[in-house]
Amino acid sequence: QKEVEQDPGPLSVPEGAIVSLNCTYSNSAFQYFMWYRQYSRKGPELLMYTYSSGNKEDGRFTAQVDKSSKYISLFIRDSQPSDSATYLCATRNTGGFKTIFGAGTRLFVKA
Amino acid sequence: GAGVSQSPSNKVTEKGKDVELRCDPISGHTALYWYRQSLGQGLEFLIYFQGNSAPDKSGLPSDRFSAERTGGSVSTLTIQRTQQEDSAVYLCASSSTASSSYEQYFGPGTRLTVT
Repeated sequence: QKEVEQDPGPLSVPEGAIVSLNCTYSNSAFQYFMWYRQYSRKGPELLMYTYSSGNKEDGRFTAQVDKSSKYISLFIRDSQPSDSATYLCATRNTGGFKTIFGAGTRLFVKA
Repeated sequence: GAGVSQSPSNKVTEKGKDVELRCDPISGHTALYWYRQSLGQGLEFLIYFQGNSAPDKSGLPSDRFSAERTGGSVSTLTIQRTQQEDSAVYLCASSSTASSSYEQYFGPGTRLTVT
């Protein structure tokens, strides 16, 4: 079993839709949860990170962590064609450096 | 300011040849990471450097892979006797310190093709 599981998609939505991207993880020691966005033939870029449980909002993006079910989510409101990319979830434990990445979900937002 | 840079952007090599991939991290960042990304796969950790400490090489897939970091800045990943399964995108990232590894900045990657 992989430490971080993520559905690779692809996920196709119309412009303006609310997008929900999800990951599950297995290690309860994980405390940091990150979402990276990767455009085609580019390196990943950090969208946001959260520590422990709870929600974090940044503009149209909301990250949510449920440690009881080991489930992490990224919501994108009012999705735009420019949001079309691969979204990678990632996690690590406190005091550690090693980051475990999910396989990434490919998202297509149609105009 | 300048981000993480990698060179070359693309490399095509014949099976059995050695290749060197270069990474210039963000100035002042003490932690540097190498990852490999194969088609449709997530990022596979390869090696990590933090300051002057011994690197964590636990992710290197075989002894054909090695990396060094000179002067706490530029890093080179070397693959000896390349195999076709080494074909992938090799990504370098840096963070200000190891404890801030939740905030990594990635370079554009080197796309390696072994023929």
